Amino acid sequence: GQQLNQSPQSMFIQEGEDVSMNCTSSSIFNTWLWYKQDPGEGPVLLIALYKAGELTSNGRLTAQFGITRKDSFLNISASIPSDVGIYFCAGQRFNAGNNRKLIWGLGTSLAVNP
Amino acid sequence: NAGVTQTPKFQVLKTGQSMTLQCAQDMNHNSMYWYRQDPGMGLRLIYYSASEGTTDKGEVPNGYNVSRLNKREFSLRLESAAPSQTSVYFCASGRSLMSELFFGSGTQLSVL
Repeated sequence: GQQLNQSPQSMFIQEGEDVSMNCTSSSIFNTWLWYKQDPGEGPVLLIALYKAGELTSNGRLTAQFGITRKDSFLNISASIPSDVGIYFCAGQRFNAGNNRKLIWGLGTSLAVNP
Repeated sequence: NAGVTQTPKFQVLKTGQSMTLQCAQDMNHNSMYWYRQDPGMGLRLIYYSASEGTTDKGEVPNGYNVSRLNKREFSLRLESAAPSQTSVYFCASGRSLMSELFFGSGTQLSVL
């Protein structure tokens, strides 16, 4: 099935550094979602974006809905050890008949060195 | 508030055995989903239920069946387990097909 191109695949950073990751698609999306998955747990929604150009923050996390509607970005500022986990993007199109299911990226695995 | 509850947390099966994974949500959501997660493959949709009384196939439905028992509960059944079904299974729910999803904590299934 269709998947989003999420990059980077993995990151290993020092505590305090900023992090950037992104998702791109060849298709236009109406919604972009960013999730975080802790080890042994299910994904948890971090930020939801509904409008092209939208910039939304959740604490140290900031996500943007790309102007072209084909991409989205997630930034984490001043990383801390509890930021460790897998970050997933997911996109949804509303103009595809019954095909309104979420399409997922393969995830960005983040490791933070204290 | 429990959210999405999945049982069991862990399960080991022999090839050919059957089992049912249970999922219940207490958020009055209409839509429910079953995903599997494999290394390097991300989350793949097995089946979903847009509302009580309806179910539809996702990307990887072969070897699985589902039942939307009522608005709260959505079960996933493996009739004859195969090693290729070794995976982590997640149940999720949402207000509608156009809503963000809330996930359970997963079931780690190993088929030997």
